[in-house]
Amino acid sequence: AQSVTQLDSHVSVSEGTPVLLRCNYSSSYSPSLFWYVQHPNKGLQLLLKYTSAATLVKGINGFEAEFKKSETSFHLTKPSAHMSDAAEYFCGLRGYALNFGKGTSLLVTP
Amino acid sequence: DADVTQTPRNRITKTGKRIMLECSQTKGHDRMYWYRQDPGLGLRLIYYSFDVKDINKGEISDGYSVSRQAQAKFSLSLESAIPNQTALYFCATSDLDTPNTGELFFGEGSRLTVL
Repeated sequence: AQSVTQLDSHVSVSEGTPVLLRCNYSSSYSPSLFWYVQHPNKGLQLLLKYTSAATLVKGINGFEAEFKKSETSFHLTKPSAHMSDAAEYFCGLRGYALNFGKGTSLLVTP
Repeated sequence: DADVTQTPRNRITKTGKRIMLECSQTKGHDRMYWYRQDPGLGLRLIYYSFDVKDINKGEISDGYSVSRQAQAKFSLSLESAIPNQTALYFCATSDLDTPNTGELFFGEGSRLTVL
């Protein structure tokens, strides 16, 4: 079965500190994985995607994610949080559509 | 103009009313999708269509129907709206050429409130 689990529903960080948003997946074949961001009252914007090329994927706005097959994980990181990073983040696994996790709400405090 | 356009953006209706949410796209993609978003539940797939003659149910299709009027248009209908269909609805598209690796492109959402 294809599924995605986002391990934290809420993450709070201080501005300037690292961000870690965790995503585990279950897939019976080589996965394609995505991270999307949703700012308030907006649609979803693609941050980055893994499609069996390099395991370390760089995305927009300084975000990156590492695909670890042995850990079935695709965690999203950023070295230094900015206030504008406060948003909802969704991990997605490609099947006939995208199967999304339940989302992680990132709060960035001054 | 947005590549994926949803109308209306906001709608308040009453229980039992018929509602249609419309989606049009200028990306030239064959595949289109409808999702609903609820707090704490993420996005769940309602219906998807791989071309004009192909429509498939997603995980939560009960109470919904769709129509693919053309390659560029995909409408979602609630025949008799109920309060637990209050949610944010998203339309999305993807490219047929990269079915397993291609990203989805989303509209800005249609917020539906059923009283």
